[in-house]
Amino acid sequence: GAGVSQSPSNKVTEKGKDVELRCDPISGHTALYWYRQSLGQGLEFLIYFQGNSAPDKSGLPSDRFSAERTGGSVSTLTIQRTQQEDSAVYLCASSLTTPYGYTFGSGTRLTVV
Amino acid sequence: DQQVKQNSPSLSVQEGRISILNCDYTNSMFDYFLWYKKYPAEGPTFLISISSIKDKNEDGRFTVFLNKSAKHLSLHIVPSQPGDSAVYFCAASGQAGTALIFGKGTTLSVSS
Repeated sequence: GAGVSQSPSNKVTEKGKDVELRCDPISGHTALYWYRQSLGQGLEFLIYFQGNSAPDKSGLPSDRFSAERTGGSVSTLTIQRTQQEDSAVYLCASSLTTPYGYTFGSGTRLTVV
Repeated sequence: DQQVKQNSPSLSVQEGRISILNCDYTNSMFDYFLWYKKYPAEGPTFLISISSIKDKNEDGRFTVFLNKSAKHLSLHIVPSQPGDSAVYFCAASGQAGTALIFGKGTTLSVSS
């Protein structure tokens, strides 16, 4: 597609439930990143995929968070047993090379009630 | 520990005046710096960047200055326009193959 697509755009979930957030990067972009923006906070790095290399998971806040990227394209961020502090906007970005030319999606606003 | 700091959460400027947004960093290995702009309900969009081998980069109304010795960069917008009202994020990159590190952002409000 022309841009980075994220779905859903909004998600309300009950505490303790699992959620999956999806990211479709720009075709041909080998690098894919997940960030989140909590209220009043900056963009917090979560995880980074580059081609077929092992992902950089250093930003994942707990083992409830995981992500995968299938076929070098679509990525899914999964949050298990959601907590209220997981409420944030989750942003996905892709780029052809690192660290230049990030294109962000519009994000998924996750609200845990 | 924040490696990229934007100490001013907000800035208000009148239309036509200069807006100066500041950013400090702690990691001397950072070699590439970027500014992103974000409107509500949209993802951040790239605005301007600078390599550590330069001290200034200009693109139209936007100029970024880098002071490596002070580990400080700033974004100047002149003249400011109401459409510039947005959140501005400073970002930095270290070694190749690592993700950008962002600051907390500064909300710029330009009044007409």
